Amino acid sequence: DVKVTQSSRYLVKRTGEKVFLECVQDMDHENMFWYRQDPGLGLRLIYFSYDVKMKEKGDIPEGYSVSREKKERFSLILESASTNQTSMYLCASGEGPMNTEAFFGQGTRLTVV
Amino acid sequence: ILNVEQSPQSLHVQEGDSTNFTCSFPSSNFYALHWYRWETAKSPEALFVMTLNGDEKKKGRISATLNTKEGYSYLYIKGSQPEDSATYLCAFSAGNNRKLIWGLGTSLAVNP
Repeated sequence: DVKVTQSSRYLVKRTGEKVFLECVQDMDHENMFWYRQDPGLGLRLIYFSYDVKMKEKGDIPEGYSVSREKKERFSLILESASTNQTSMYLCASGEGPMNTEAFFGQGTRLTVV
Repeated sequence: ILNVEQSPQSLHVQEGDSTNFTCSFPSSNFYALHWYRWETAKSPEALFVMTLNGDEKKKGRISATLNTKEGYSYLYIKGSQPEDSATYLCAFSAGNNRKLIWGLGTSLAVNP
C-alpha cells in the first residue's frame, strides 16, 4: 500500500516559533508538494520539488521555506510562525509531468496561537 | 493566468439520485486532467486521470468524460449513496509543467 506520511496530525505552536512539518513518501516519486487548504480558497501550492535539493516556489511561498535532502523526504519550515499560518497543510507526491495521480498525506492541522 | 473552475460549488441530493459536476480548464497547452474525492477527515484520493480528448473513464457508479478542445470535464455519479458525500476536486496539468492547478471543488451531500 503506497504511503505519504506526515509527521503530525495536529500541532499547536506559538507565534514566532520555528515550525517543521515533515513528509515522507515510500513510492520513489520525483515530485513532492506542500499545499495549504483554507475554507473557500481550495488547495494552494506553497512549494514543490522535483528532485533532491531542488525546490520551486508555488503560489504562496512567503513565510515558508522547504528542504529536500533525500528523495523520500520533503520538509516545510515556517521560519517564524504567525497566526495567519493557522491552516490545514497537505503534502503530496507524484511522478514526472503529473499525467498520473498524486498521492496525499493525511494532513497536518496547524494552529498558531 | 491558468484557472480551473468547478460548478456547482455545493450540491445536496437524495439517495438514489444521479448527479454530475463540471470542471472547466484552459483548452490550450493541455496535459492532463485529474479528479479526486476528498472525504472529511481523510486525504484526497484520485478517482481518474485523463489525458486524451474524448477520454471516458469509469469506476463503479462514478464516471468522467473529457473535452480538451473546449476545456471541460464532467464527473457523473449514478445512484448516489450517502458514502459518496465528499468534496470532489479537479486539477489541470499544463504542458510539461509538474504543478497541478486546482479547482475549489464541488461539495456533495447525499441524504439517506
